[in-house]
Amino acid sequence: EAGVAQSPRYKIIEKRQSVAFWCNPISGHATLYWYQQILGQGPKLLIQFQNNGVVDDSQLPKDRFSAERLKGVDSTLKIQPAKLEDSAVYLCASNLNRDTEAFFGQGTRLTVV
Amino acid sequence: GENVEQHPSTLSVQEGDSAVIKCTYSDSASNYFPWYKQELGKGPQLIIDIRSNVGEKKDQRIAVTLNKTAKHFSLHITETQPEDSAVYFCAASWSSASKIIFGSGTRLSIRP
Repeated sequence: EAGVAQSPRYKIIEKRQSVAFWCNPISGHATLYWYQQILGQGPKLLIQFQNNGVVDDSQLPKDRFSAERLKGVDSTLKIQPAKLEDSAVYLCASNLNRDTEAFFGQGTRLTVV
Repeated sequence: GENVEQHPSTLSVQEGDSAVIKCTYSDSASNYFPWYKQELGKGPQLIIDIRSNVGEKKDQRIAVTLNKTAKHFSLHITETQPEDSAVYFCAASWSSASKIIFGSGTRLSIRP
């Protein structure tokens, strides 16, 4: 079974620029999550999708972050404009349904300079 | 909201010895407690989980205990091996399909 795919693996941008991350969850997984993991900390949930609907985006800084899940499959997370404190690893995860294991991708490491 | 505290932040044990990582949670409604292992450059991987209707669960060298009254849960790794070296995260949630709150992580090092 193929895992959660994320791209790019690494990205370096200047502050105030924009950036987008892409995630392809495991086939058939209805729930998709985006997490932000700052160095030395645990992952923090940014947004959760159930199919193509948003379940929880309470921790998403909506003035600069946006996310969508196209046709309930792939998802993109965008930051515009980026700030220095956005430097982190952005993790995508998915699971089949309630009470099943969540699988994580390898993440995208973003450095804002 | 839910808050998960994890201790210690770093742990070094001799190969073959046991390692214990402890977590506390704040929301008594939490009913799902997964543990994740994260190796360098990789995403977290589930290694074991426990639900609130169970006090203990074991899978080979890994065991997890849960004390609902005290809101504590712990990860026990016995007979540690070099490949156990990684960062371990505890987490708490209403269920595996809802918002999962992570602890701050424990960097475990196994000394040869």
